[in-house]
Amino acid sequence: ILNVEQSPQSLHVQEGDSTNFTCSFPSSNFYALHWYRWETAKSPEALFVMTLNGDEKKKGRISATLNTKEGYSYLYIKGSQPEDSATYLCASNTGGFKTIFGAGTRLFVKA
Amino acid sequence: KAGVTQTPRYLIKTRGQQVTLSCSPISGHRSVSWYQQTPGQGLQFLFEYFSETQRNKGNFPGRFSGRQFSNSRSEMNVSTLELGDSALYLCASSFLAGGVNEQFFGPGTRLTVL
Repeated sequence: ILNVEQSPQSLHVQEGDSTNFTCSFPSSNFYALHWYRWETAKSPEALFVMTLNGDEKKKGRISATLNTKEGYSYLYIKGSQPEDSATYLCASNTGGFKTIFGAGTRLFVKA
Repeated sequence: KAGVTQTPRYLIKTRGQQVTLSCSPISGHRSVSWYQQTPGQGLQFLFEYFSETQRNKGNFPGRFSGRQFSNSRSEMNVSTLELGDSALYLCASSFLAGGVNEQFFGPGTRLTVL
């Protein structure tokens, strides 16, 4: 994988549903993996920075895992709420500190 | 603590003109990165500055340039504007350069090229 890829591109869930999405990134020269939440008309907001294989981070109902050997990260949202509606971006840093962003997963949570 | 600020917020230019965008990082942050976002694309990395030095550069033509001042404020310049340069330009600051540090984004400058 040469680029950072996120799936699905968009997701529609009902309030209360739990959901997850995937970020795939180059496993060679891995340095760090970032997750951001980007709400409409706002700036991207950092959720997690992960560096170690097997890392798990949690913030409230949102958590993330990291597998650097196979080059993927999962973001989980438990009990989705309408305010979770946003675009979730992941970004990979490789050797040279160049940051590569995925195109994002657009989450819509319906009340 | 004030966040990252970008000026102007909106800009309309015509093809062939040049434009300068400004970014003021969070106080104490020495690294500023610039990104371009176009519809359907993720954020594309332009460049990163740390202590007035360009640390890294994305795959953009030489028409895109930047600089950083001693107070860590950064400017990005685009010369000979093309229609495809219409985009949202975001800057982000962090305390240190490098991939581990959390980045704080500004509100962006929306550039429209006619």
